[in-house]
Amino acid sequence: DVVMTQSPLSLPVTLGQPASISCRSGQSLVHSNGNTYLNWFQQRPGQSPRRLIYKVSNRDSGVPDRFSGSGSGTDFTLKISRVEAEDVGVYYCVQATNWPYTFGQGTKLEIK
Amino acid sequence: EVHLVESGGGLVQPGRSLRLSCAASGFNFNDYAMLWVRQVPGKGLEWVSGIYGNSARVGYADSVKGRFTTSRDNAKKSLYLQMDSLRAEDTALYYCIGDKAGDLEYWGQGTLVTVSS
Repeated sequence: DVVMTQSPLSLPVTLGQPASISCRSGQSLVHSNGNTYLNWFQQRPGQSPRRLIYKVSNRDSGVPDRFSGSGSGTDFTLKISRVEAEDVGVYYCVQATNWPYTFGQGTKLEIK
Repeated sequence: EVHLVESGGGLVQPGRSLRLSCAASGFNFNDYAMLWVRQVPGKGLEWVSGIYGNSARVGYADSVKGRFTTSRDNAKKSLYLQMDSLRAEDTALYYCIGDKAGDLEYWGQGTLVTVSS
């Protein structure tokens, strides 16, 4: 199975400041078709996970443009340009290149 | 509008069985692989099982292999998870997910399974 490692696991951020979450995979996530199936999810307290980013850098409809995804191969990053109060929650990366899909441990973002 | 509604969760004794269902609407169910992902309350996410749109491939996490069986009925737009020989460590919120080419696009609200005597 592909191991996904997120850091940091806890991320206290001041409102209006940027935030960055790293996600590293134990092997390349490039599929034989050339796509890289690395997605980012946000889970607010008491809610189901909500997809923010798919295939590394594609932002979902309705997701604020302060969220961006980047990376390639085994190293990926989710950035929030200016954290707002509604961004509090846990963020997960997940690789969907191979079954079984595997998730990172989650990064808990809180407001300082 | 897309809806995925899980049902069938509840309290069950260790060693017993439970069958979860997921009713889908608002998207072309046949074109989507469907997944089960679980989450122990307060913990992370774990892929449990997946099934292709035409049921040609079904996969399981090692932790449930041989005990859980996933199936689907495309005519009814429904997904199922038959869980046998349940253990305490299977206690979790089980999510049904619509997945087209690795995008895990659609999620239900989950159904809670509690395995306890």
